[in-house]
Amino acid sequence: GDSVTQMEGPVTLSEEAFLTINCTYTATGYPSLFWYVQYPGEGLQLLLKATKADDKGSNKGFEATYRKETTSFHLEKGSVQVSDSAVYFCALSPSGYSTLTFGKGTMLLVSP
Amino acid sequence: EAGVAQSPRYKIIEKRQSVAFWCNPISGHATLYWYQQILGQGPKLLIQFQNNGVVDDSQLPKDRFSAERLKGVDSTLKIQPAKLEDSAVYLCASSLGSGAGPHDEQYFGPGTRLTVT
Repeated sequence: GDSVTQMEGPVTLSEEAFLTINCTYTATGYPSLFWYVQYPGEGLQLLLKATKADDKGSNKGFEATYRKETTSFHLEKGSVQVSDSAVYFCALSPSGYSTLTFGKGTMLLVSP
Repeated sequence: EAGVAQSPRYKIIEKRQSVAFWCNPISGHATLYWYQQILGQGPKLLIQFQNNGVVDDSQLPKDRFSAERLKGVDSTLKIQPAKLEDSAVYLCASSLGSGAGPHDEQYFGPGTRLTVT
């Protein structure tokens, strides 16, 4: 079945450092790919998405590119802020369906 | 616009007891989802409703879990009897359309944290 693998956390960075959170997936066909963020005490929020190969999703300075050849969707940000501290989830949905399969999540801690 | 509301936010029960969670989706959203998020794992879909009909309940442990969505709006998820392994955060989400496709974003509530002792 479909699955998503994320790098384990926590990822600890200083403010203004470069961020990469790795995500790879296993799925048949052409799934859509998502990054969700969960701030402390809040629900999951969609951060960005990509629906086909080579698409780049971007939002709030975060970017991720859908790489079908490597089945990856790595999350990047050039300069993190303390307010980016949260848990980040990579997820996929099969083509034409809304069902989401999530990775285990990666906690990001940013210190001043 | 009000978001997805859930209650209670926290619940502690003993094993073999019963518990119910409530979800009020965003007004006008046709599709409602219940997820289980065990500590250290990503959310797992339990059940999906479109209006008041069940679309997918393949991962719902039907011997102890039940869910309903009366009048296609609010929903309740019940566990009876609870087991220790049911300790988790239960998330409710809703989407505007049928949910068939990546452009129909799911909006999540804050979740209910259940602890079974």
